[in-house]
Amino acid sequence: DAGITQSPRHKVTETGTPVTLRCHQTENHRYMYWYRQDPGHGLRLIHYSYGVKDTDKGEVSDGYSVSRSKTEDFLLTLESATSSQTSVYFCAISEKGGSFYEQYFGPGTRLTVT
Amino acid sequence: AQSVTQPDIHITVSEGASLELRCNYSYGATPYLFWYVQSPGQGLQLLLKYFSGDTLVQGIKGFEAEFKRSQSSFNLRKPSVHWSDAAEYFCAVGGGGENKLTFGTGTQLKVEL
Repeated sequence: DAGITQSPRHKVTETGTPVTLRCHQTENHRYMYWYRQDPGHGLRLIHYSYGVKDTDKGEVSDGYSVSRSKTEDFLLTLESATSSQTSVYFCAISEKGGSFYEQYFGPGTRLTVT
Repeated sequence: AQSVTQPDIHITVSEGASLELRCNYSYGATPYLFWYVQSPGQGLQLLLKYFSGDTLVQGIKGFEAEFKRSQSSFNLRKPSVHWSDAAEYFCAVGGGGENKLTFGTGTQLKVEL
């Protein structure tokens, strides 16, 4: 257990509304990641962070923004949700002191955009 | 660009039978390779990883994987499958100074009793 929580765990929202998902970690990990999981696509990286206020884009970043104002929290925002953003969103961290690539995942947030 | 191919979308095996899940990767340098497992409604759990050294790596739950550079493969194996192994399995690759992983599309394992 890497001490990762995600909130909310489930959300239904309407097209065009803003949505913010939160990832919280308790173990001071430097790297944090947001993925989306869709059938037939596996997991795709949306954005990641390598420190407070340091973020970068992944392969499917369009329509998403992120913020990290403190080490423990990494926020994913959908500025204006669309039906194509209906997905399961996972947060991950890279364990401190280990390989950057040894990632551990949170429980996920199921988002439905109607 | 790095990529991962898991050629089998679904696999069904009988409980007690052996299992091999295939993973092929494309990467320009020495890769870091991973297998994750996801039970329904859950997050991903790290099964095992390869960084360097012995090409046969052992993981949790009795799983092992073998890195074969000549075949660009990292297949996951288990000698005797249990019904609780039914889940989706993901192979992933990373490396080269990029702090990112690329995942395959997953293989759904069904275990028949």
